[in-house]
Amino acid sequence: GQQVMQIPQYQHVQEGEDFTTYCNSSTTLSNIQWYKQRPGGHPVFLIQLVKSGEVKKQKRLTFQFGEAKKNSSLHITATQTTDVGTYFCAGPYSSASKIIFGSGTRLSIRP
Amino acid sequence: DTAVSQTPKYLVTQMGNDKSIKCEQNLGHDTMYWYKQDSKKFLKIMFSYNNKELIINETVPNRFSPKSPDKAHLNLHINSLELGDSAVYFCASSLLSGGALDEQFFGPGTRLTVL
Repeated sequence: GQQVMQIPQYQHVQEGEDFTTYCNSSTTLSNIQWYKQRPGGHPVFLIQLVKSGEVKKQKRLTFQFGEAKKNSSLHITATQTTDVGTYFCAGPYSSASKIIFGSGTRLSIRP
Repeated sequence: DTAVSQTPKYLVTQMGNDKSIKCEQNLGHDTMYWYKQDSKKFLKIMFSYNNKELIINETVPNRFSPKSPDKAHLNLHINSLELGDSAVYFCASSLLSGGALDEQFFGPGTRLTVL
């Protein structure tokens, strides 16, 4: 079946360092979404990418969708303590209205 | 105003009991979902309803039965609770017919602990 893998599983960085999480799908995706879940919280939608090679920015966050639409990345520049949480990518699978979440990357930050 | 609300927030119960979790959204969305998040943070879809009709039913034990009295509500009833049911259950909603192009709005979650 379709799988959406995320790496790394954990990342511990010094505040101010950059952070990147990668999402890889076993099949081509029509679109990909990114969510952030703070510790003890619920997933919150960040962005959706639809076009091949698309790059979108939200302040210090940069999202990319691969040319083949099988992978995506989220890069955070100069991390802050407010960036702590688990970042999930999510993509549709099969022809039905389903969405599959990646395994998530948990970001922790040393102040 | 809370967009997607769930009750209760915490649920601690004994094995073998039956329990329900309620979910309500005031966003006017057509589609609602139930997700299970285990201790390793994996988020897995369980059910999806569009306008009170079941459209996704993943491989979930029959002990789990969703019920949608109207499109603003999607409740989850669990019979004969087992230890492995311990998890955080999230309700979510999206605007259109559950298409993956839709942003999903999640509720705060219900932490279920089965003893």
